[in-house]
Amino acid sequence: DQQVKQNSPSLSVQEGRISILNCDYTNSMFDYFLWYKKYPAEGPTFLISISSIKDKNEDGRFTVFLNKSAKHLSLHIVPSQPGDSAVYFCAARNSNTGNQFYFGTGTSLTVIP
Amino acid sequence: SAVISQKPSRDICQRGTSLTIQCQVDSQVTMMFWYRQQPGQSLTLIATANQGSEATYESGFVIDKFPISRPNLTFSTLTVSNMSPEDSSIYLCSGGYPYNEQFFGPGTRLTVL
Repeated sequence: DQQVKQNSPSLSVQEGRISILNCDYTNSMFDYFLWYKKYPAEGPTFLISISSIKDKNEDGRFTVFLNKSAKHLSLHIVPSQPGDSAVYFCAARNSNTGNQFYFGTGTSLTVIP
Repeated sequence: SAVISQKPSRDICQRGTSLTIQCQVDSQVTMMFWYRQQPGQSLTLIATANQGSEATYESGFVIDKFPISRPNLTFSTLTVSNMSPEDSSIYLCSGGYPYNEQFFGPGTRLTVL
């Protein structure tokens, strides 16, 4: 049972425009969410996180939005740059039951120069 | 943060053999984990590596197939035993601290013939 879902396997965006990556989850007990970026032949790199007590967290060009009622989070990248081209994974955890993260299947972002 | 290295980076193995993957962290992290990423799928947690004691395995993974050691806070090994082509995957080590993000190694790409 996939508790974290990324329904768009790929996304293409023009350089300078906004990239929006989406993630849905099924477990209402998840209270901590992260986004990771992964380049080929490398491990995932932590990008940004958000706690369930917030609905928005911003770090430079990256903003994560959390909609708990919809069990949905999104990552906005503005402006998008060619170096942002990578696979993006969202992950979620229920901190009360341990440190296990559940990952989505990833969205491959291509930023076109 | 923590920098995590893994070796080997890739290997091609024969059916029925075993491979041990090593994971080294540059700092003493509380938590260490082993994940598997099969083609086109998300990262799946295999087990939590516990220092000086038996690893904690997730549903669907057993110690006989994936024995794990963690002799100290900075080093862990995962063995994939009696391999079959279905074990072809990327194996990732991660480390971190409770209630925070995890940091990943570059992964080991395993192909079983």
